[in-house]
Amino acid sequence: GAVVSQHPSRVICKSGTSVKIECRSLDFQATTMFWYRQFPKQSLMLMATSNEGSKATYEQGVEKDKFLINHASLTLSTLTVTSAHPEDSSFYICSARSGGGQGYNEQFFGPGTRLTVL
Amino acid sequence: AQKITQTQPGMFVQEKEAVTLDCTYDTSDQSYGLFWYKQPSSGEMIFLIYQGSYDEQNATEGRYSLNFQKARKSANLVISASQLGDSAMYFCALSSYKLIFGSGTRLLVRP
Repeated sequence: GAVVSQHPSRVICKSGTSVKIECRSLDFQATTMFWYRQFPKQSLMLMATSNEGSKATYEQGVEKDKFLINHASLTLSTLTVTSAHPEDSSFYICSARSGGGQGYNEQFFGPGTRLTVL
Repeated sequence: AQKITQTQPGMFVQEKEAVTLDCTYDTSDQSYGLFWYKQPSSGEMIFLIYQGSYDEQNATEGRYSLNFQKARKSANLVISASQLGDSAMYFCALSSYKLIFGSGTRLLVRP
């Protein structure tokens, strides 16, 4: 099956700093990537959808200036949490979709990144 | 608007028995898909099973089957012969262009 990696798997940073999370599709080209956030004991909440070469589409309530998304190539999308604060501490998961050849648009999930802001 | 609902925050099942996890949905789309994912404590999302809105037969994947009742807008997951390793969070998700997840059900398999 298709493999999606995320780096780093865990990150601890100080309040006010910025953190970049990478999401890579290893064996397929991802025309669309999705970024989710999951707080403890809660469900996955979609933050934004990114298509290669275009601006990301953010869900209502997600600050685009705080969560910068770049989908520069068909295998890489990055999420940068700018000026992180403790309330940004969460589990961030990306997923990728090839967008073609699949009848049901399955998304392949990365293993997630656990962000802790001190 | 799309909505997906899981009404069971937690479920217990005895090892080797079957268990049904409930999922109902609402969408105005004619073509859509329903997914079930398992999330163990490690956090990874494991794809279990998929049902398309036009599929006439219920999906099955090994010990997993999806009881799809389109008129009732329900897509319940049935796990047969439960194993201790099945203990995890289970999410139902509705897809047209993007995935919308339910709130999840935590399943605990008792030995």
